[in-house]
Amino acid sequence: GAGVSQSPSNKVTEKGKDVELRCDPISGHTALYWYRQSLGQGLEFLIYFQGNSAPDKSGLPSDRFSAERTGGSVSTLTIQRTQQEDSAVYLCASSLIGSPEQFFGPGTRLTVL
Amino acid sequence: RKEVEQDPGPFNVPEGATVAFNCTYSNSASQSFFWYRQDCRKEPKLLMSVYSSGNEDGRFTAQLNRASQYISLLIRDSKLSDSATYLCVVNGKTSYDKVIFGPGTSLSVIP
Repeated sequence: GAGVSQSPSNKVTEKGKDVELRCDPISGHTALYWYRQSLGQGLEFLIYFQGNSAPDKSGLPSDRFSAERTGGSVSTLTIQRTQQEDSAVYLCASSLIGSPEQFFGPGTRLTVL
Repeated sequence: RKEVEQDPGPFNVPEGATVAFNCTYSNSASQSFFWYRQDCRKEPKLLMSVYSSGNEDGRFTAQLNRASQYISLLIRDSKLSDSATYLCVVNGKTSYDKVIFGPGTSLSVIP
């Protein structure tokens, strides 16, 4: 079956612009995570959606970052007024309810010039 | 103290060697444990779950020590294709809790 998909695969933007990154989780997966990974670094947790519960936003680095999940499926991560330090790969992962095993998408590589 | 800690490495080992990775976690209520593998410029993928009794999958052996809050991964007879970053993953008290990834340990298997 289809895995987690993310779009775009690559995004180049200018400093100060807003960007939207999209994640389509595996159908039926109620948990969805966003992570950020800079080159050579580990995964940095950003936000966690679990069903209808309030999302865990504790990893968002600043108020320029926000995410929503519509209809319990597709999620969008928005970065406003991008900065060069926002350049990274943004990974989305989903899992079945009650299962901690995560399935990752291929990521979106964001470059802020 | 970080929630999940790993030796960052890198571990550079010759083909055929045995290598062990360690991971410690801070939440004593954690119930589920995993090892993921991440190849260069790829997304992480599940390698194996870690059970209380220990488990083995071919050349890979995972062990859990709840008393010491410690997880290990042993790779025997290393192959060039084992070169990757190995991520220790721990969840909270329930499977609905947020999953925590360790920073990863880098392995390079050298011909």
